[in-house]
Parts: sequence; structure tokens; C-alpha cells
Amino acid sequence: DAGVIQSPRHEVTEMGQEVTLRCKPISGHNSLFWYRQTMMRGLELLIYFNNNVPIDDSGMPEDRFSDKMPNASFSTLKIQPSEPRDSAVYFCASSFEGVGGTEAFFGQGTRLTVV
Amino acid sequence: GESVGLHLPTLSVQEGDNSIINCAYSNSASDYFIWYKQESGKGPQFIIDIRSNMDKRQGQRVTVLLNKTVKHLSLQIAATQPGDSAVYFCAENLGDSSYKLIFGSGTRLLVRP
Repeated sequence: DAGVIQSPRHEVTEMGQEVTLRCKPISGHNSLFWYRQTMMRGLELLIYFNNNVPIDDSGMPEDRFSDKMPNASFSTLKIQPSEPRDSAVYFCASSFEGVGGTEAFFGQGTRLTVV
Repeated sequence: GESVGLHLPTLSVQEGDNSIINCAYSNSASDYFIWYKQESGKGPQFIIDIRSNMDKRQGQRVTVLLNKTVKHLSLQIAATQPGDSAVYFCAENLGDSSYKLIFGSGTRLLVRP
């Protein structure tokens, strides 16, 4: 398996534009996470899906952020409209959840710069 | 990728020495803990995990110690190598029947040749 695949690796956009980040989890995994990493706030959990259903989106900053997981093999994180403070590295991670917690496998991240 | 945290605590060790990285977690109900390693430009990578019914677990060159009384976790790396230079994060599962992981702020490990 190629691991968690994120695209694009880098995105530079102008303030006000829509941004879509994509994630393909590891095949067979049933949980998916989106994290945001910044120098000031570290790794923050934005949203967590289990079996394609959003379980916890309390970390989503505001209504400008939306997330979908239409099937087990794909998720998107959309920001509309984007703002400079959204600049960060966005990571997607997946895991197979059985009894108790298990480790999450991370993608390489998408570095977003909003100018 | 982004280098995390101008304000990250930094541990500098001599190559070949042992390293100990510490982490204080917040939730006494947390029942599962993981150490991750993040190299520049990459996503966090799993190193080792431990469940709350254990106080020690060993891997290859790494040992994790868990002290639930004081909510403290440590990662010991034996015979530290230049390739161990990275930012290390502890993560906790909150034990609330969800599977989400909450990350600590990280420690930067620098290995001097």
C-alpha cells in the first residue's frame, strides 16, 4: 500500500479563493482524521470520521471550513473563502479502529499558503 | 513541510548517547498513548505505543514509560543516531470511546556528531 496520499503537496492561493485539499486513506482503514499544523498552535485535530461518518468536527475553525467523506477511499477538506490565517500544513491520517485505540498513519501533508 | 515551533523545547545530545524525551498529558481518562517522530517536510511517523494497563514497553532502540499517577510519558532512545534528529510528539487517546488522538506540543531532538 502506498500509504495515505494527499494532494496537492503545495497550494498557494489568493485570499478569498476556494481551496480544496484531498486525501486518500489507506485501503481497509475505517477512521480518517484531518489535522492542521502551525508553528504557533502545533498539531490541531480538525475533524474525525469513522466509517465515513463525521464523529467529531469540534476542531473545525468556522463555517468557512467544510469536510466530506463520500466513500471509504476519499475525503476532501474545503476552505471557502480562504484567509491568510488559514496558511498551515494540513495533514490527513487514517487508522483501522478495533477495540481500543490504534496508531494513525499520516500523509505527507499539504502546505497551504494564502496570500 | 513546515518546521514546527520556533518555541519548541530542544534536546541536544551527542551521537551515541541515550536520549530521554518527556511529555505531560492532560486527561487522566486517556487510555492509549503514542509517540510520533516528524522529520522536516514529512508527516508524523509512528514510533511506539503503550496502553494504560502497562507502564513500560520496549521496541528497537526505543522504550516508552508511562506514569499514570503524575500523567507523564517518556520516550527513551538508546545510542542516539543522527537520523534520530527530528521533532517528537506524544499523542493521547482520550478514552472516551472515540479514536481521536490529541497531540502534545513536541520536542525537537538535535543529535551532535
